Amino acid sequence: GAGVSQSPSNKVTEKGKDVELRCDPISGHTALYWYRQSLGQGLEFLIYFQGNSAPDKSGLPSDRFSAERTGGSVSTLTIQRTQQEDSAVYLCASSLFSGRYSNQPQHFGDGTRLSIL
Amino acid sequence: KNEVEQSPQNLTAQEGEFITINCSYSVGISALHWLQQHPGGGIVSLFMLSSGKKKHGRLIATINIQEKHSSLHITASHPRDSAVYICAVAPNTGTASKLTFGTGTRLQVTL
Repeated sequence: GAGVSQSPSNKVTEKGKDVELRCDPISGHTALYWYRQSLGQGLEFLIYFQGNSAPDKSGLPSDRFSAERTGGSVSTLTIQRTQQEDSAVYLCASSLFSGRYSNQPQHFGDGTRLSIL
Repeated sequence: KNEVEQSPQNLTAQEGEFITINCSYSVGISALHWLQQHPGGGIVSLFMLSSGKKKHGRLIATINIQEKHSSLHITASHPRDSAVYICAVAPNTGTASKLTFGTGTRLQVTL
């Protein structure tokens, strides 16, 4: 079956522009995660959606970053007024319901490589 | 100090060698994940464990909750095992799925 799909795979944009990154999770997965991997750095949690619950936005680095998940499926990560330090690979993952007492393996997309000039 | 520490950072092995990658963490966890990231960037979940030991093919993962330590072993290593191996922990408070990641161990297996 189809895995987690992210688009675009690569995005180059000028500093100050807004960008939208898209994630299509695996069908039936209620949990969706966004991560960031900067060059030479480890993975960093950004935001987590679980069903209709309020998202955990505690990893978003600034108010220029926002994300939404429409209809419990597709998610969009938006970065406004991009800065050079936003250059990174943005990874999306999805899983079956996952909570404090019910961990599930996460399935990762191939990521969007974002370059800010 | 990072909440999740991996060692070694880099590892070179010859084909056939037994490999061990270590992960230590400092927080209470509900689960620990081992992930594999290939040079192309794709990430695959290898194991998720909260106690004991799991085995899949040539890969074995163990965890000691009391010592806050996990190991990933690769038996009879092969060049196709060359990748970055990442340890991540799910905390036992707050949002359990909010993973904290180690910085990864880069493994190169040569012929």
